[in-house]
Amino acid sequence: AQSVAQPEDQVNVAEGNPLTVKCTYSVSGNPYLFWYVQYPNRGLQFLLKYITGDNLVKGSYGFEAEFNKSQTSFHLKKPSALVSDSALYFCAVRDDSNYQLIWGAGTKLIIKP
Amino acid sequence: NAGVTQTPKFQVLKTGQSMTLQCAQDMNHEYMSWYRQDPGMGLRLIHYSVGAGITDQGEVPNGYNVSRSTTEDFPLRLLSAAPSQTSVYFCASRPRGGTGELFFGEGSRLTVL
Repeated sequence: AQSVAQPEDQVNVAEGNPLTVKCTYSVSGNPYLFWYVQYPNRGLQFLLKYITGDNLVKGSYGFEAEFNKSQTSFHLKKPSALVSDSALYFCAVRDDSNYQLIWGAGTKLIIKP
Repeated sequence: NAGVTQTPKFQVLKTGQSMTLQCAQDMNHEYMSWYRQDPGMGLRLIHYSVGAGITDQGEVPNGYNVSRSTTEDFPLRLLSAAPSQTSVYFCASRPRGGTGELFFGEGSRLTVL
């Protein structure tokens, strides 16, 4: 079965430090992978996606993600965290059987000044 | 740009009552969907539609009905609300043939007493 895992419920990072939010996936074919962000009391916003091509994908707000096929991972990264990056982050993979997205449970990112 | 509009933002129901959550999008997207978000469980797909007159069940469809009479609107109906339906509901849309990037509404918080 296809699935997505976000192993960390919460990640704490000091402002200015690099951040990583982890995501691993399990799919039968080539993965379509996504990251979304949810600010408090708001809907989700698309950050970036991997379909094919370069393993390093750049997205909105200075975020990037690295696709690693051998480790079946798609970790979200940012070189220098901002307090305003504090939010809930979701990883998702497309289910090839029905083209719907399968979502991870979410990781709460807290950036401390 | 309005994007995806959900109403109401907040609603309190008593067990057994019925209600409809409204969703409208002005981007001419053919695909629309409803998710529920519960703590620690990510997003779970309730129903989706790939175009007017076409709907299909997602992961957790029981207790919910949908219809799609126009491209713009995709209402979600709860016929007999139960406390287990207390959740935050999100409507999302995307263009047909898109690579999965979804546009979300701001959410509707429903409490069933």
